[in-house]
Amino acid sequence: GQSLEQPSEVTAVEGAIVQINCTYQTSGFYGLSWYQQHDGGAPTFLSYNALDGLEETGRFSSFLSRSDSYGYLLLQELQMKDSASYFCAVRALNQAGTALIFGKGTTLSVSS
Amino acid sequence: GAVVSQHPSWVICKSGTSVKIECRSLDFQATTMFWYRQFPKQSLMLMATSNEGSKATYEQGVEKDKFLINHASLTLSTLTVTSAHPEDSSFYICSAPGRAINNEQFFGPGTRLTVL
Repeated sequence: GQSLEQPSEVTAVEGAIVQINCTYQTSGFYGLSWYQQHDGGAPTFLSYNALDGLEETGRFSSFLSRSDSYGYLLLQELQMKDSASYFCAVRALNQAGTALIFGKGTTLSVSS
Repeated sequence: GAVVSQHPSWVICKSGTSVKIECRSLDFQATTMFWYRQFPKQSLMLMATSNEGSKATYEQGVEKDKFLINHASLTLSTLTVTSAHPEDSSFYICSAPGRAINNEQFFGPGTRLTVL
């Protein structure tokens, strides 16, 4: 089966840096992704790591270590609008081939 | 990026009735679409993989006779919740995979179902 673990909540202030960790156990592994979801909205894609190392996209960076089954999302220069839920997700083998399986999500609250 | 739409965005129905939710890829073709369910403050749980022209593949524990999926064309998949009960009240989200190397998946805006 598949399992992904990430912290349930993180709080920070504007301008700070936050790291959200994710560890995973999957049948087959085809990359680790991060999605952001605001309350009542659809998940939106943030980043993807297929290989070990750091990927940087603006204020957001994501890291993967396949040997440790571990990754993280780094959010810099936090803004109030970054308050949302963040999900790590792995593309893994399932009944139909492969599918995106999500972690339980981390609620980030940014205060002024 | 690619756009996925869902209709309706919200629906309230009586217990025992059936509800159909449509998922459309607006500017691309999707031979595969995924249906997820999300309870408040919880994760997105994969329900099934919808395949154009063939039967859907359901995840373990998801009743295929209760959640009927039809992928009639390359741009449309439908989920019908049959004989809905209050415990089926949830946020249902469809998605379609993109073709980019970054494995991005495009999500619809979701349908909030409330069963009275």
